[in-house]
Amino acid sequence: QKEVEQNSGPLSVPEGAIASLNCTYSDRGSQSFFWYRQYSGKSPELIMFIYSNGDKEDGRFTAQLNKASQYVSLLIRDSQPSDSATYLCAVNNAGKSTFGDGTTLTVKP
Amino acid sequence: DVKVTQSSRYLVKRTGEKVFLECVQDMDHENMFWYRQDPGLGLRLIYFSYDVKMKEKGDIPEGYSVSREKKERFSLILESASTNQTSMYLCASSRLILNTEAFFGQGTRLTVV
Repeated sequence: QKEVEQNSGPLSVPEGAIASLNCTYSDRGSQSFFWYRQYSGKSPELIMFIYSNGDKEDGRFTAQLNKASQYVSLLIRDSQPSDSATYLCAVNNAGKSTFGDGTTLTVKP
Repeated sequence: DVKVTQSSRYLVKRTGEKVFLECVQDMDHENMFWYRQDPGLGLRLIYFSYDVKMKEKGDIPEGYSVSREKKERFSLILESASTNQTSMYLCASSRLILNTEAFFGQGTRLTVV
């Protein structure tokens, strides 16, 4: 079992829809959780982080964390074609991040 | 803005060559990391460093070494390049405070022929 698993893609949604990206992790000592976006041929860039159970909203993005279930998700509301990218979930313990394989999202106009 | 700069965007090297990948960050970050990214395998940690002259093995250190003589610079060394080391290499840095985000360089696409 991988330490960080993301829902297999690719994921395709129509413009304006909600995109839901999921991630589970195995290390119960994990302390912080990040979502990175990676456009094709580019390096990852941070879009959201969450440390505590519950929801965290930032514009069209909402991160959700449930430590008991070892589950973290990212919701993208009103999806735009510019959101088309690979989304990487990263789980951090003691300063070291472990990444999932990523979920590729395509938003169709 | 945090800036992490990798010395080359593309590199082509021959099997058996010694290869140096350089990374410099300008935000006085304590932590620095080297990852490789391959289709279907995601980002895998090769080595990381919490301080000058300190290094820790990541998940896939075999065939690699690192050097950190100055805080802002972290070098990845392929002692004898092999074709299975053809990959995208990403350097990242972060603050020492635990659980902070990592900032990535632009990546080096290395091809070993």
